[in-house]
Amino acid sequence: GENVEQHPSTLSVQEGDSAVIKCTYSDSASNYFPWYKQELGKGPQLIIDIRSNVGEKKDQRIAVTLNKTAKHFSLHITETQPEDSAVYFCAAKKRPNNQGGKLIFGQGTELSVKP
Amino acid sequence: ETGVTQTPRHLVMGMTNKKSLKCEQHLGHNAMYWYKQSAKKPLELMFVYSLEERVENNSVPSRFSPECPNSSHLFLHLHTLQPEDSALYLCASSQAGMGYNEQFFGPGTRLTVL
Repeated sequence: GENVEQHPSTLSVQEGDSAVIKCTYSDSASNYFPWYKQELGKGPQLIIDIRSNVGEKKDQRIAVTLNKTAKHFSLHITETQPEDSAVYFCAAKKRPNNQGGKLIFGQGTELSVKP
Repeated sequence: ETGVTQTPRHLVMGMTNKKSLKCEQHLGHNAMYWYKQSAKKPLELMFVYSLEERVENNSVPSRFSPECPNSSHLFLHLHTLQPEDSALYLCASSQAGMGYNEQFFGPGTRLTVL
């Protein structure tokens, strides 16, 4: 079955620096890759996603890149701020169907941004 | 805040108790999900309901019993749980269809089994 590996498990950066989180997936049929941010006491919230027909997507300080050949995708956060501190999860999903689709999540990365 | 609510937010129960977790979505979605989140582990999908029909059951022990009476509500009935079942239980919803449909998560229920 599909497997998603995420690294690193913890990441500490200084405010203003960039942070990069990497994920690899095993099923080449996966074609949708969302990233979720989970703050303490809250459920995960989608922050950005990318489809397999796109190599890069950017939204303000957040960008995601996808390398289908290598089966890996990455989250890039620039100019980090203390409020970026949270746990980040990557996920992968196959072609969706009428039954909602199934997300496979990575293990999560705990990002700490030090002021 | 998302349009998915969960109650209770915290629950402590003994191994012989019976309790239920409730999830409600106010987004007009037609698919709902239960996930288990344990420390240092990926989110584990437990059940998926689409159009009120269970379409996924990820080898979850029978001590967990889901119920989806309508497209807005989802329950997880718990009985004779084990201490290793202690975790954060997350509910999510999405719009089932041919698009790449975002899943919206609730805040979760923190369950402790004594």
